[in-house]
Amino acid sequence: QSALTQPPSASGSPGQSVTISCTGTSSDVGGYNYVSWYQQYPGKAPKLMISEVSKRPSGVPDRFSGSKSGNTASLAVSGLQAEDEADYYCSSYAGNSNFVFGAGTKVTVL
Amino acid sequence: QVQLQQSGPGLVKPSQTLSLTCAISGDSVSSNGAAWNWIRQSPSRGLEWLGRTYYRSKWYNDYAVSVIGRITINPDTSRNQFSLHLNSVIPEDTAVYYCARDPGISVTGAFDYWGQGTLVTVSS
Repeated sequence: QSALTQPPSASGSPGQSVTISCTGTSSDVGGYNYVSWYQQYPGKAPKLMISEVSKRPSGVPDRFSGSKSGNTASLAVSGLQAEDEADYYCSSYAGNSNFVFGAGTKVTVL
Repeated sequence: QVQLQQSGPGLVKPSQTLSLTCAISGDSVSSNGAAWNWIRQSPSRGLEWLGRTYYRSKWYNDYAVSVIGRITINPDTSRNQFSLHLNSVIPEDTAVYYCARDPGISVTGAFDYWGQGTLVTVSS
């Protein structure tokens, strides 16, 4: 059982926006600004898209943005492109030197 | 450019020890500015952080509660690599295992470089 709750799927047409939520508790998401988001294609390793809630690593398009309110973090993808169709996972520091992940959200570009 | 290259067997018998190695290029396992992690992924358990090793004037290890007592992560400074050993494996340990780097002096859980993944099947 994954510790963080994500919707199993999300979709949007090209050019539209989609937002994925990631709900935890005050012991993880709500307690630390150490939420990360990953993009994963089938058969590939995850790729870091957002770190520390809202920081975008070099090379990640600015169409991707992260935020947090209370125990829920969010990943927004604007201007959807076909290449954005993938699985997205959130993760958070959970205290006591542990990290937890969400179960993942499959984003479909219609 | 950091690269992580994994190696190790893809099939392990129940009750035996799963051992994988992650060779690092473009960084150092002894870096004061990184932590070296093992993460696994399976359909039943999703992504699961297993543990890490890092150097901050001395070596530290942290392990997930779910595998404490069965797991060891060791740095190998002479070969610039680190290893995962998971003993007493059961079929539920079947997963794709990844090594990954968490950069920065403060470990944040932002895994920016990953190995290619190794599918390890636990079966007799």
